[in-house]
Amino acid sequence: AQKITQTQPGMFVQEKEAVTLDCTYDTSDQSYGLFWYKQPSSGEMIFLIYQGSYDEQNATEGRYSLNFQKARKSANLVISASQLGDSAMYFCAMRERDYGQNFVFGPGTRLSVLP
Amino acid sequence: DGGITQSPKYLFRKEGQNVTLSCEQNLNHDAMYWYRQDPGQGLRLIYYSQIVNDFQKGDIAEGYSVSREKKESFPLTVTSAQKNPTAFYLCASSPDLTGGYTFGSGTRLTVV
Repeated sequence: AQKITQTQPGMFVQEKEAVTLDCTYDTSDQSYGLFWYKQPSSGEMIFLIYQGSYDEQNATEGRYSLNFQKARKSANLVISASQLGDSAMYFCAMRERDYGQNFVFGPGTRLSVLP
Repeated sequence: DGGITQSPKYLFRKEGQNVTLSCEQNLNHDAMYWYRQDPGQGLRLIYYSQIVNDFQKGDIAEGYSVSREKKESFPLTVTSAQKNPTAFYLCASSPDLTGGYTFGSGTRLTVV
């Protein structure tokens, strides 16, 4: 079964607007971590934001915030004030003990920011 | 600056040949990982290593081999047994099994 689901293969957003990228996950672990990475066309993976399963507040990092709804097992990424440089693939990932603490990645969402 | 260096950036291999991808880190991280990425898809774990001289198979280890003789280095060999090796390969490291990953810039392997 898919552990990480990203239902939006592609998204478009107008420059300066906010966009939400969806991520749902499946785990029976009580302790786990959720991560978002950005992959520009050059290929490197850039860490954006982290949410621990026991964190009570939603994580924020600059223009990035994570809308964490534990009961629904969702960890959506919100990018505020989109910029042209935000155009990239975005991957949601989870780290859980059952998987040897290794990351499992979702299939990704390609975000295109329009001028 | 600390980071992960993968080389080469592009690699071409003839069918039936083994090829080795380099991954070096100067972050003093204990754990290192190899992932494979196919076009339009997420990352799949090939091998990982928690400490020197120890490594474990990931989800798609068949046709690949690794070594971890030094903390800084975790080379991946793509053997002729790998049926479809053309892909983008990413190396990563983390301080331990609970920390976030730092990724290298990747190696794009093409079989010709």
